[in-house]
Amino acid sequence: EIVLTQSPGTLSLSPGERATLSCRASQSVSSNYLAWYQQKPGQAPRLLIYGASSRATGIPDRFSGSGSGTDFTLTISRLEPEDFAVYYCQQYGRSPFTFGPGTKVDIK
Amino acid sequence: ELQLVQSGAEVKKPGESLKISCKASGYRFSNYWIGWVRQMPGKGLEWMGIIYPGDSDTRYSPSFQGQVTLSADMSISTAYLQWRSLKASDTAIYYCVRQEWAYSWFDPWGQGTLVTVSS
Repeated sequence: EIVLTQSPGTLSLSPGERATLSCRASQSVSSNYLAWYQQKPGQAPRLLIYGASSRATGIPDRFSGSGSGTDFTLTISRLEPEDFAVYYCQQYGRSPFTFGPGTKVDIK
Repeated sequence: ELQLVQSGAEVKKPGESLKISCKASGYRFSNYWIGWVRQMPGKGLEWMGIIYPGDSDTRYSPSFQGQVTLSADMSISTAYLQWRSLKASDTAIYYCVRQEWAYSWFDPWGQGTLVTVSS
């Protein structure tokens, strides 16, 4: 099973700042099959990024993904008030598909 | 509009059985995989398994193999997650998700079904 580690656990930032979230895999992720999801309290997760760097439909371009192999990054260029949430990375290249523990982005 | 709508919250006792549903609309149900994800209270996301409604090909995470059963009814575009004997540790929100193929990202997500198991 591929174990995903996310850092930091919590990121305290102000609106307008840049957020950089890290996701590290215990083994290389096949074909960069790595996704990022956003979850707000009381809501289902929402797909942001797939294939490590492709934005899902309707996702603003302030969200970007990068990385390959075992190291991946989600960057939010300028935080908007609605971006404060928990972010999960997920690998879907090898079963069982696994998620990281999440990074909470909260308001400083 | 592509949508997954799940059945409502359930409160059950340990040992009872349960089947929750996920109704798909806006696309050809038989051509896409449906997966299930568990989120225990205050915790992260765990993938449980997937089913391909077109031929009922089903794959389970080792953590959930034998604990739950996935099924689908193409005639009403609905997928199901079933337990024979619930435990208190099954208390969680369960999400259904669509996958374009077996190794694919999850999009969209259903709204979630809260299952509470308590004596």
